[in-house]
Amino acid sequence: GAGVSQTPSNKVTEKGKYVELRCDPISGHTALYWYRQSLGQGPEFLIYFQGTGAADDSGLPNDRFFAVRPEGSVSTLKIQRTERGDSAVYLCASRSGTGVGEQFFGPGTRLTVL
Amino acid sequence: GQQLNQSPQSMFIQEGEDVSMNCTSSSIFNTWLWYKQDPGEGPVLLIALYKAGELTSNGRLTAQFGITRKDSFLNISASIPSDVGIYFCAGQASGNTPLVFGKGTRLSVIA
Repeated sequence: GAGVSQTPSNKVTEKGKYVELRCDPISGHTALYWYRQSLGQGPEFLIYFQGTGAADDSGLPNDRFFAVRPEGSVSTLKIQRTERGDSAVYLCASRSGTGVGEQFFGPGTRLTVL
Repeated sequence: GQQLNQSPQSMFIQEGEDVSMNCTSSSIFNTWLWYKQDPGEGPVLLIALYKAGELTSNGRLTAQFGITRKDSFLNISASIPSDVGIYFCAGQASGNTPLVFGKGTRLSVIA
């Protein structure tokens, strides 16, 4: 596709439920990043994939958060036992192998945990 | 997590005025980037800086990578209504590392 796409655009769930957020990166981009953006803040790093492997997951806040990228393209961010504090916009970005620093962002998924 | 110090937090300016915002860090970055984010959208890259002292322009936008590699500024000349939005600086330590963002500068332009 022309840009990074994310689905769903909005997700409302209840505390304790499981959610999956999907990211389709720009075709051919090998690097994929997940960020979380709380209201009034800049994006904060969660996890980075190079190909299929998670090269850096140091930003994941706890073990309720997990992400996969099984075929090196689409990625899914999974959140178990959601809490109200998980409410935020979850942004995905992709970067080509040679595009130093130039990460292109998707529109985000707004997650609301009631 | 770590965030950069970005200022000002918000600005209200008249159309046609110039705007300046800056970003500082306690640690060194090898890449500085400036993004703009509109409501309901993801950040869009405006300018990328790769070398200390580098001054780069993109239309009415000019950004500089500080000599110390711990700061950067963004100038917007002759502001127009579509400049409204939130501007974020971001630093990157090396090519594969994640971006560290500032908290953003919210720009409002009064016609």
